[in-house]
Amino acid sequence: GESVGLHLPTLSVQEGDNSIINCAYSNSASDYFIWYKQESGKGPQFIIDIRSNMDKRQGQRVTVLLNKTVKHLSLQIAATQPGDSAVYFCAENGGTGNQFYFGTGTSLTVIP
Amino acid sequence: ETGVTQTPRHLVMGMTNKKSLKCEQHLGHNAMYWYKQSAKKPLELMFVYSLEERVENNSVPSRFSPECPNSSHLFLHLHTLQPEDSALYLCASSQGVSGRLEETQYFGPGTRLLVL
Repeated sequence: GESVGLHLPTLSVQEGDNSIINCAYSNSASDYFIWYKQESGKGPQFIIDIRSNMDKRQGQRVTVLLNKTVKHLSLQIAATQPGDSAVYFCAENGGTGNQFYFGTGTSLTVIP
Repeated sequence: ETGVTQTPRHLVMGMTNKKSLKCEQHLGHNAMYWYKQSAKKPLELMFVYSLEERVENNSVPSRFSPECPNSSHLFLHLHTLQPEDSALYLCASSQGVSGRLEETQYFGPGTRLLVL
């Protein structure tokens, strides 16, 4: 089966610093990836996505980097704020079929 | 708000009870999904519906029974559950299911289920 994993289960950063959350995926056929943010007591919230024909995509304070060579995805959050504290997880589409494969998540804690 | 609502938000039930979870999406999407989220585990896809027809069932036990009466509503009927079924049940929707997933799924807030 698919496996999508995160290198670090927890991450603590100082408010104002940049955060980097990593994700490894196993299926080289995956061509669409999503980052989700899940706050306590809420469902996952879409942050940003990227297709395999891109290496980088930027949003508001967030950047996703895709390295297809090593099957690695990262989420960078600039000037991290307390409201960014949440669990972040990535999802890959596996290339075929109609389901996404999700990682277990990284818990980000922002220290004021 | 993502445009996907779920009720109830919390549910406690005994193993002999019958209950139903409800999901409604206000996004005009054609595909809806049920996921199970357990602590420290990845999201597990349970069911996928596209245009009200089930297209995916990941070998979910028969004590979980989905129903999709129209493209905006999705139900999960629960019967004789086990304590290990306690989890957060998430509903999601997307524009459509074309055989290749290239569309974002939007999630509801989930129903926190506890089976005693």
